[in-house]
Amino acid sequence: SYVLTQPPSVSVAPGKTARITCGGNNIGSKSVHWYQQKPGQAPVLVVYDDSDRPSGIPERFSGSNSGNTATLTMSRVEAGDEADYYCQVWDSSSDHWVFGGGTKLTVL
Amino acid sequence: EVQLVESGGGLVQPGGSLRLSCAASGFTFSTYAMHWVRQAPGKGLEYVSAISSNGGSTYYANSVKGRFTISRDNSKNTLYLQMGSLRAADMAVYYCARGGIAVAVPFDYWGQGTLVTVSS
Repeated sequence: SYVLTQPPSVSVAPGKTARITCGGNNIGSKSVHWYQQKPGQAPVLVVYDDSDRPSGIPERFSGSNSGNTATLTMSRVEAGDEADYYCQVWDSSSDHWVFGGGTKLTVL
Repeated sequence: EVQLVESGGGLVQPGGSLRLSCAASGFTFSTYAMHWVRQAPGKGLEYVSAISSNGGSTYYANSVKGRFTISRDNSKNTLYLQMGSLRAADMAVYYCARGGIAVAVPFDYWGQGTLVTVSS
């Protein structure tokens, strides 16, 4: 089955740029989606189809996807961005959704 | 306003059964694929099951195949998850989520989840 690999944690200072990676075999050929989950809350879609943002998501959130790595980039990071972030793809070979293990973003 | 409200969670013994429901409102339920995702305490998200808009196609994670059944009643705007042969590993918060016209479309709305506890 398809596996997505994320770093367990990323730390960033306020106002700086945070990057969270999501690794997978030839992930560049798939559409990658990203979710933000704050403690005690349901996940929220923040980027879909590699780099598109749902309405209401700040432009500070962006995404890219190429080769074996997809990246969620958050610029001008704020304290309110502190959360767990999950990448997701549809694995058409197994007809399953796959989530990465999640990355905890800490704002220093 | 789109709303998804899960119910039916609770304490169940190993080997027991439980049926979760997800009441949808604020959108045309019958035109969207729907999904169940779970999260064990302190762990990450795990896809559980998906169903097409008309209920004709269903999908299951290997970990629940043969034990769980997803279904929907478009006349009642409700999604279901029938869970059987429950194990300690099934203990989690179960979320329902709205997909898109196709099953392979990401989830733009989520419910707040319902907790399933499996313990004797």
